[in-house]
Amino acid sequence: ILNVEQSPQSLHVQEGDSTNFTCSFPSSNFYALHWYRWETAKSPEALFVMTLNGDEKKKGRISATLNTKEGYSYLYIKGSQPEDSATYLCAPATGNQFYFGTGTSLTVIP
Amino acid sequence: KAGVTQTPRYLIKTRGQQVTLSCSPISGHRSVSWYQQTPGQGLQFLFEYFSETQRNKGNFPGRFSGRQFSNSRSEMNVSTLELGDSALYLCASSTSGGEVEKLFFGSGTQLSVL
Repeated sequence: ILNVEQSPQSLHVQEGDSTNFTCSFPSSNFYALHWYRWETAKSPEALFVMTLNGDEKKKGRISATLNTKEGYSYLYIKGSQPEDSATYLCAPATGNQFYFGTGTSLTVIP
Repeated sequence: KAGVTQTPRYLIKTRGQQVTLSCSPISGHRSVSWYQQTPGQGLQFLFEYFSETQRNKGNFPGRFSGRQFSNSRSEMNVSTLELGDSALYLCASSTSGGEVEKLFFGSGTQLSVL
């Protein structure tokens, strides 16, 4: 079992603000790091999959970085919009198994 | 291309009963995994199937079981239901279940145990 921690647990930001959240995991047992966005009443949707230390991924206003040596990943949202309101989950994956954190709930206030 | 389909969407059962949930993966996906979501908890891994074989199992009691059919559809069974089994059950599919493959989730089955 991997201990995955996400912080903060919840976040309220104003429209237009930039924000970031953290995913921490044991650095030793690791093969890939996933980020998912889970909007209310919908299914979790994959954002990024990263495997290499120093990896950076970007999708529109959302980007993520990975540090495998120290065991953390950051997710950044630039210029938050109300449609970014969702729970963001990270999941280190190893041995065909995914270990999800409890997520960061983001609310963007118009 | 149809997404991952889970049925039923909602279920209400009483303690002691058993329940079967169904998951149809995306066409061509051979890996199906199941997760339990309860308030305050992350998605807890139940098990993963690939080509009708259970490859991984999470830390859940034996009351939780599953199977996968030759068409990759999967079912999950919970016997002797307890109040604590009330949760959202999600299934996810991918091509082969590898760590670098994105998971595609269904809408989930909301189970309430009274």
